[in-house]
Formats: sequence, C-alpha cells, structure tokens
Amino acid sequence: EAGVVQSPRYKIIEKKQPVAFWCNPISGHNTLYWYLQNLGQGPELLIRYENEEAVDDSQLPKDRFSAERLKGVDSTLKIQPAELGDSAVYLCASSSVLGTGELFFGEGSRLTVL
Amino acid sequence: QKEVEQNSGPLSVPEGAIASLNCTYSDRGSQSFFWYRQYSGKSPELIMSIYSNGDKEDGRFTAQLNKASQYVSLLIRDSQPSDSATYLCAVFQAGTALIFGKGTTLSVSS
Repeated sequence: EAGVVQSPRYKIIEKKQPVAFWCNPISGHNTLYWYLQNLGQGPELLIRYENEEAVDDSQLPKDRFSAERLKGVDSTLKIQPAELGDSAVYLCASSSVLGTGELFFGEGSRLTVL
Repeated sequence: QKEVEQNSGPLSVPEGAIASLNCTYSDRGSQSFFWYRQYSGKSPELIMSIYSNGDKEDGRFTAQLNKASQYVSLLIRDSQPSDSATYLCAVFQAGTALIFGKGTTLSVSS
C-alpha cells in the first residue's frame, strides 16, 4: 500500500512569491491534515479535512494561506504571498478512521523563503 | 489553550539502558494518547498508542498513562543507538485534531 505522497520535497522561493504544496493521502483515508513544523518544534495543525469538507481551519492564516481538497482525495496548500517566517516543513497526514489520532505522515515539503 | 508539555532534552542514555520520556497535558477531556518517533529530517511515525490508565507494552516499548495526573510516559528498554530520535507526545480529543508536544530528543550512545 502506497503511503502519503507529498510534492515538492523542497522548495526555495523569494519572499512575496506564491508557492503550492500537493498531497495524495493513503487510498481510502477520508481524513486529511496539513501540519506545519518549525525546527525544534512539534507539528502544529493548519487545517483538517473530512472528505471534501474543511472541519477545522481555525489555525490557518487565511490572509495568505488557502487549501482545497477537491473530490475528497488530493489536497493542495497554497501560500500567497510567502513571508520569511513561512520557512518550515509542511506535513500532510491522513487517517482512515474518523476520530482517531493514528496518523500517517508524508515525507513533508520543506519551504525556504529568502 | 490545549497544551502538551515535554522536556526538550536532549536525553542521553548508554546503550542497553532504559530511556524514560515524559509528557503532561492540560485538557482533562483528552481521550487518546500517542507517541510518535521522528528521525532527523524525516516525518513522524506512530510507535505507541494508549487509551486507558495503566501500562501498555509493545516489544521494548512501554507506554504509561495516568489520567488523574494528566501524565503520559514512554519507557524504552534495552535502548539501542537506532532509538536515537525525537519522540513526540500527542494527545487527541474527539472533535479536534491531534495536538503535539515539542518533542524530546533522545541520544543513545554505544
């Protein structure tokens, strides 16, 4: 069974440029998460999807961040415009059962904003 | 604000020793508790889950939960250099997402 797939693995951009990250969850997993992880910190939730619906986006900085999960499968996280402080690892995770903490993470997308 | 607290370490133990990692959480409504292991430059992977008070053993790993004290711990017996990683404590409450601590870095020396 394929795991959670994320791309790109690495991205370097100038500040004020846009960037997008893509995630394909494990087949059959209805719940999808985007987490942000800064160096030396634990992952912090940005947004959680149940199928196509964003059920928790309270931590998503909506002035510059947006996300979508069309057809309840793949998801895209976008930042526009990027700021220096956005440099971090963006982790996508999925889970098969509603209401569980057993998450499967992708390899992450490391963003560097110059 | 729901919080999960961990000592960031580093925790250094010799090979073969017992490593003890601790975690406290603030939300008494928390229902499920997890330990994730994260190697440097890699993503977190689930190694233990515990749902009720007491101990749960899986190989060299034992998770301990005390809901009255809001305390979770992970014991690693016969520590190996391959156990060197950051261990993330995570807490789940129904209707919310998993909340992670900052992690404890474990270093096992041979």
